[in-house]
Amino acid sequence: GENVEQHPSTLSVQEGDSAVIKCTYSDSASNYFPWYKQELGKGPQLIIDIRSNVGEKKDQRIAVTLNKTAKHFSLHITETQPEDSAVYFCAAFSNDYKLSFGAGTTVTVRA
Amino acid sequence: DAGITQSPRHKVTETGTPVTLRCHQTENHRYMYWYRQDPGHGLRLIHYSYGVKDTDKGEVSDGYSVSRSKTEDFLLTLESATSSQTSVYFCAISASGTEAFFGQGTRLTVV
Repeated sequence: GENVEQHPSTLSVQEGDSAVIKCTYSDSASNYFPWYKQELGKGPQLIIDIRSNVGEKKDQRIAVTLNKTAKHFSLHITETQPEDSAVYFCAAFSNDYKLSFGAGTTVTVRA
Repeated sequence: DAGITQSPRHKVTETGTPVTLRCHQTENHRYMYWYRQDPGHGLRLIHYSYGVKDTDKGEVSDGYSVSRSKTEDFLLTLESATSSQTSVYFCAISASGTEAFFGQGTRLTVV
């Protein structure tokens, strides 16, 4: 099955700086890569995703990049704000209708 | 939360008792999933459903069973609860099998 590794496990950034979270996956057949944000006491919320036929996607202050050859993808958050503090999960979807998740990154934005 | 309701939201139960968690959706999505979330493990798939009465196992299915007799309801049963099943359980739904939306979670404590 798919194995997704996520780094770092914790990330502390100064407000206004950028944050980068990296994930690798093992199944070359995986073709869909979503990112989720989870705030305390809530369910994960889909914030952005990328499909295997695209190398980069942006949505305001967040962007995702995908390198299929190296089997890794990254989340970039620019101009971080206190409300960006949360746990972020990457995931990979293969052809068996299952999403496999990374272990999560706790992001803290310092004021 | 994308028309997903999990019940109960919190439950404390004793070791050895059966427990059933319910996920109800109003989106008419084909796919439904049960995940558990534990520190350091991210989200792990327990069981999923790709249609009424069509279910399959995930990576941590031992000790759990599921049923889906209607499109809108997906039930997760712990046949004989153990302390290792203390966790937060999330239901997710998907129309296509890729984009998945999560419920608010059920915190289960087995004492």
